[in-house]
Amino acid sequence: SQTIHQWPATLVQPVGSPLSLECTVEGTSNPNLYWYRQAAGRGLQLLFYSVGIGQISSEVPQNLSASRPQDRQFILSSKKLLLSDSGFYLCAWSVIQNYGYTFGSGTRLTVV
Amino acid sequence: AQSVTQLDSQVPVFEEAPVELRCNYSSSVSVYLFWYVQYPNQGLQLLLKYLSGSTLVESINGFEAEFNKSQTSFHLRKPSVHISDTAEYFCAVIPISGSARQLTFGSGTQLTVLP
Repeated sequence: SQTIHQWPATLVQPVGSPLSLECTVEGTSNPNLYWYRQAAGRGLQLLFYSVGIGQISSEVPQNLSASRPQDRQFILSSKKLLLSDSGFYLCAWSVIQNYGYTFGSGTRLTVV
Repeated sequence: AQSVTQLDSQVPVFEEAPVELRCNYSSSVSVYLFWYVQYPNQGLQLLLKYLSGSTLVESINGFEAEFNKSQTSFHLRKPSVHISDTAEYFCAVIPISGSARQLTFGSGTQLTVLP
């Protein structure tokens, strides 16, 4: 069956520290992968998406970056976190025949 | 490009009362439509989707949504809500075809069911 794993579930990091969030997908090949962020009281903001290994598209300029070192692995990173990076980060995947997206369980990031 | 408008950011309703969460969209091409539900501190789960056929689609937990092409709407309804329906609900659309197809989400509606 198709599953998506996202970790960690919660994270508290000081301002200026690095970040690495990981997402892996099982049970499918060559998925499209997405990183979303939900800030408090706001909707879903698409940060990055990837249609293949090493192919990353950025939707908003910021101090975050993404990488896809393997077909079913998607990593969100930052060299130096800002307070404004706090939020709920969601990974998702899709394949064309499914039409919609499947989401991971999310990571609650608090930058202090 | 597509846009999705969820007219109500907060909807409080008493248990066993009916509810309607409104969703309107704008698109120059034909789209598929979705409703997702998000419980606190969890990811989004697909609630129901309209791809083709009957314009009325139903979920397993009693929600239904009707696609109205002329009004470009996809409102979500439930005749009798439960406390466990308290969650945030997102409407979304995706173009039926095209090389850069992505889901476009509305801003969400927080449904709070009161005892």
